[in-house]
Amino acid sequence: DVKVTQSSRYLVKRTGEKVFLECVQDMDHENMFWYRQDPGLGLRLIYFSYDVKMKEKGDIPEGYSVSREKKERFSLILESASTNQTSMYLCASSGTGISSYNSPLHFGNGTRLTVT
Amino acid sequence: SQQGEEDPQALSIQEGENATMNCSYKTSINNLQWYRQNSGRGLVHLILIRSNEREKHSGRLRVTLDTSKKSSSLLITASRAADTASYFCAAPRGYQKVTFGIGTKLQVIP
Repeated sequence: DVKVTQSSRYLVKRTGEKVFLECVQDMDHENMFWYRQDPGLGLRLIYFSYDVKMKEKGDIPEGYSVSREKKERFSLILESASTNQTSMYLCASSGTGISSYNSPLHFGNGTRLTVT
Repeated sequence: SQQGEEDPQALSIQEGENATMNCSYKTSINNLQWYRQNSGRGLVHLILIRSNEREKHSGRLRVTLDTSKKSSSLLITASRAADTASYFCAAPRGYQKVTFGIGTKLQVIP
């Protein structure tokens, strides 16, 4: 079974802090994703990566950056945390090979981030 | 912008009844995926239907896809209390840019 592990289940940070959310997958997947989930807004895509050192902006990249130095690890960085970034953050991975676009996503259990 | 939009946003049924959820999307797709999320957890993949398929079954789940109407439906037959969860459809926009809708919150009453 694919395992996607997010480093923290709950995180509390102060406004202005730099925050790192880590995600690791163990299935050699090419694609990795970061979403945030808010009540009434569903899941919104922040960034995704289709290869090491490659990244693409999702629908709400402002205030975030990402890093993918190794295939198995995809980090989400909040450069200067703000209260409106309080949310549930979900990491996912998918796909191997040339048909990776037809592969389902495997999700971690999420990190609930509170910025005070 | 979100690719999938689920309807209804909430659904409450009795155990044993069937539950139907619908999804509409905006652009052409290679596939459409359905996921389930239990409260406070990550999403779990249920079923993927490719653009050249019209119907797919998996256990008590039946998914249909109508590419001419840009819509899909998920049917859960003989529902159980354990099916209580939120259900999302998702579709890739471009190369693997997978976006989700707001979801349908299903409550199955024992």
